[in-house]
Amino acid sequence: GQNIDQPTEMTATEGAIVQINCTYQTSGFNGLFWYQQHAGEAPTFLSYNVLDGLEEKGRFSSFLSRSKGYSYLLLKELQMKDSASYLCAVMDSNYQLIWGAGTKLIIKP
Amino acid sequence: IAGITQAPTSQILAAGRRMTLRCTQDMRHNAMYWYRQDLGLGLRLIHYSNTAGTTGKGEVPDGYSVSRANTDDFPLTLASAVPSQTSVYFCASSIGVENTGELFFGEGSRLTVL
Repeated sequence: GQNIDQPTEMTATEGAIVQINCTYQTSGFNGLFWYQQHAGEAPTFLSYNVLDGLEEKGRFSSFLSRSKGYSYLLLKELQMKDSASYLCAVMDSNYQLIWGAGTKLIIKP
Repeated sequence: IAGITQAPTSQILAAGRRMTLRCTQDMRHNAMYWYRQDLGLGLRLIHYSNTAGTTGKGEVPDGYSVSRANTDDFPLTLASAVPSQTSVYFCASSIGVENTGELFFGEGSRLTVL
């Protein structure tokens, strides 16, 4: 079966750095996506990786290793507004998105 | 610019009743999707439409139906609601099949079936 694993919850301190990991087992691979979802709101697109390596976008970076079935989302200079759930999703060989359950990130002052 | 509009925002429904969740987008996106989100689970695809006039089944289609008469509208119907359909429903769109990873979501419809 297809599976996306990510930690259920993480806690970090304002101003610090946090890394949210995602491992996947899917039927084929056509890209990995990270979304941010604030409580009670819709998910919003953060990043996309299809080749191995690091993609940087401001305070957020996303890394992919296809051979290891592994990705992480790195958040730097954490702000209170970064408190949210972060969803990892993989597009399989049928171009369908398979979603992880999400990681709830709690930022403490 | 509205993006994707869903209605209703929230609804309590008696089991056995019929319910239609409405979804309208103004971005002229070809592809549209309906997901449900339940605590502890990832988003699960119910139905999708790659272009107006076509629909397809997702991971959890049973008990739901959709139609895509035009580009903008993609309603989701529960023919006879059951308590297990209590969930938050998200409508989403993408530019096209080639860009199905970057989705734009509506604000969600919270449905409670009693």
